[in-house]
Amino acid sequence: QSALTQPASVSGSPGQSITISCSGTDSDVANYNLVSWYQQHPGKAPKVVIYEGTKRPSGVSNRFSGSKSGNTASLTISGLQAEDEADYYCCSYTRSGTWLFGGGTKVSVL
Amino acid sequence: QITLKESGPTLVKPTQTLTLTCTFSGFSLTSSGVGVDWIRQPPGMPLEWLAFTSGTDDKHYSPSLRSRLSITRDISKNQVVLTMTDMDPVDTATYFCAHGVDYAFDVWGQGTMVTVSS
Repeated sequence: QSALTQPASVSGSPGQSITISCSGTDSDVANYNLVSWYQQHPGKAPKVVIYEGTKRPSGVSNRFSGSKSGNTASLTISGLQAEDEADYYCCSYTRSGTWLFGGGTKVSVL
Repeated sequence: QITLKESGPTLVKPTQTLTLTCTFSGFSLTSSGVGVDWIRQPPGMPLEWLAFTSGTDDKHYSPSLRSRLSITRDISKNQVVLTMTDMDPVDTATYFCAHGVDYAFDVWGQGTMVTVSS
């Protein structure tokens, strides 16, 4: 069971929008709308920013949005801010009843 | 308010068994749709999901680590225990427990760093 595929890094200027992709297979992303996304700052525990593909937890900025097409889920951060600089991980429920994380994407704010 | 906290040894020797405890509050692990998961992160590496137990005592394990993992719960103590056998230096990581709901991990513990070294 290989990790979901994410780009190693994505960067953008303040105010811009960026999108992080997360590619899986028919055993996970493609067949379930159960992808979640996590933001992790250095030395901190991860924080969920999107769950069930498109839902945003209470207290999470509406600048974060999720989508899916086929076997690829995406996280878009609009109006990029300095505080968004962090590592981001996608995670999908799988056909086996387990969870699978992506390799992580480092977001840099230029 | 939901909180979770991991506890256990910071150093284990190769081949030993690791036992980690997650002590939680603010929810009951007797309800359907609720679970506690263990997730780890080696230094500088991605997150890796390890194991899950639910309010109905359903259990699931990472396929690659299934033979080495065991997850149990003590409802009376509000604790979930993860054991991992035959520890190796590659198992050096920060181990997190997290509250699972709606197929996501909405509250995490602070994590506990475990080093495997002789």
